[in-house]
Amino acid sequence: DGGITQSPKYLFRKEGQNVTLSCEQNLNHDAMYWYRQDPGQGLRLIYYSQIVNDFQKGDIAEGYSVSREKKESFPLTVTSAQKNPTAFYLCASSMWKSADTQYFGPGTRLTVL
Amino acid sequence: GESVGLHLPTLSVQEGDNSIINCAYSNSASDYFIWYKQESGKGPQFIIDIRSNMDKRQGQRVTVLLNKTVKHLSLQIAATQPGDSAVYFCAEVVSGGYQKVTFGTGTKLQVIP
Repeated sequence: DGGITQSPKYLFRKEGQNVTLSCEQNLNHDAMYWYRQDPGQGLRLIYYSQIVNDFQKGDIAEGYSVSREKKESFPLTVTSAQKNPTAFYLCASSMWKSADTQYFGPGTRLTVL
Repeated sequence: GESVGLHLPTLSVQEGDNSIINCAYSNSASDYFIWYKQESGKGPQFIIDIRSNMDKRQGQRVTVLLNKTVKHLSLQIAATQPGDSAVYFCAEVVSGGYQKVTFGTGTKLQVIP
């Protein structure tokens, strides 16, 4: 059963705390992406990684950090520096240099209390 | 600057009728366009795409039309079913060293039984 998994589905965090969102794929994709989705707005790219041990900032990277130690995994940490972290976070993956063909995970809804 | 937007935030259609969802774009350099379907609380799913050198592409019950003159594309769903209820959004892709994907804000399609 191939695909992308994100966990947890719902996450609650107190202000001032860092939290890490998990994203795993078994599609053997080289590239992985993190997006943020807010009501009334299109998906906004946070970070992306085209190969292991390399990643690039997207359009809204401030307050977030990522790592890419394994091809299958691309965790996203929402730090306390992110001023408005409550959102729906989507992870995606694709073959190398094929951002047009992204497969999305089910998403994680983060709520800051 | 580039932008991808949708004309209508919500569209209600009777079951069995045809649905038309519109999208405007402003980047003439876009290579092609993608339509996604996103059900509540889930990640987006690819529906259909169209290259910039095409005017029309058909899939199963869906047709995408591209009008480059007015920078407009539309998604037509034939014989709309309750399972089609979701948010639909378009995305434009600009190829380069890294494919830049810009997502639209989305239109919510409500199918009335």
